[in-house]
Amino acid sequence: AQKITQTQPGMFVQEKEAVTLDCTYDTSDPSYGLFWYKQPSSGEMIFLIYQGSYDQQNATEGRYSLNFQKARKSANLVISASQLGDSAMYFCAMREAWGTGFQKLVFGTGTRLLVSP
Amino acid sequence: KAGVTQTPRYLIKTRGQQVTLSCSPISGHRSVSWYQQTPGQGLQFLFEYFSETQRNKGNFPGRFSGRQFSNSRSEMNVSTLELGDSALYLCASSVTGNEKLFFGSGTQLSVL
Repeated sequence: AQKITQTQPGMFVQEKEAVTLDCTYDTSDPSYGLFWYKQPSSGEMIFLIYQGSYDQQNATEGRYSLNFQKARKSANLVISASQLGDSAMYFCAMREAWGTGFQKLVFGTGTRLLVSP
Repeated sequence: KAGVTQTPRYLIKTRGQQVTLSCSPISGHRSVSWYQQTPGQGLQFLFEYFSETQRNKGNFPGRFSGRQFSNSRSEMNVSTLELGDSALYLCASSVTGNEKLFFGSGTQLSVL
């Protein structure tokens, strides 16, 4: 069964510094997709970045990058130059059978990030 | 382009009642999925619809049901509400279900 593990319940970072949020996953499916979502206090889940299991290069989206280590089954999110607005819950998620239209995301328990001035 | 719209934003019901939540996906998106978020269980998949057909269903009792209309709008219904149904219900859409999901702001359901 697929599983996502986020071991950091909370993280603190100072404004303008970089921070890494950890995510490990477990799946027996060779085809999968990994996602990171941000959830501010308003409740909306905001898509940040994704990585397909067959992608050779690490995904990047602006200040967000995904450190994908397939052999170690990890997909850590790196936020560079943190901003106060980055304070939120961050969820790592995985979808198996990427590319087949089978749409079900399994989420981790989340990491609460607090950015201080 | 409007995002995923969920109504109502907040809902208070009592045990035994039923409730219907609505979700309007992004224009052009035909896949709609629903998730339940609680402090204890986290985010859990409820079901997914594509072109008015339920393609996938999570491990929830039959009290939880849904449907999708020809315009891709979706509703989910919970009958005989229980206290444990109190949660944030999130709806997400994508074009075919094979891309990243765009979520709405959710409906916060409180069962008293």
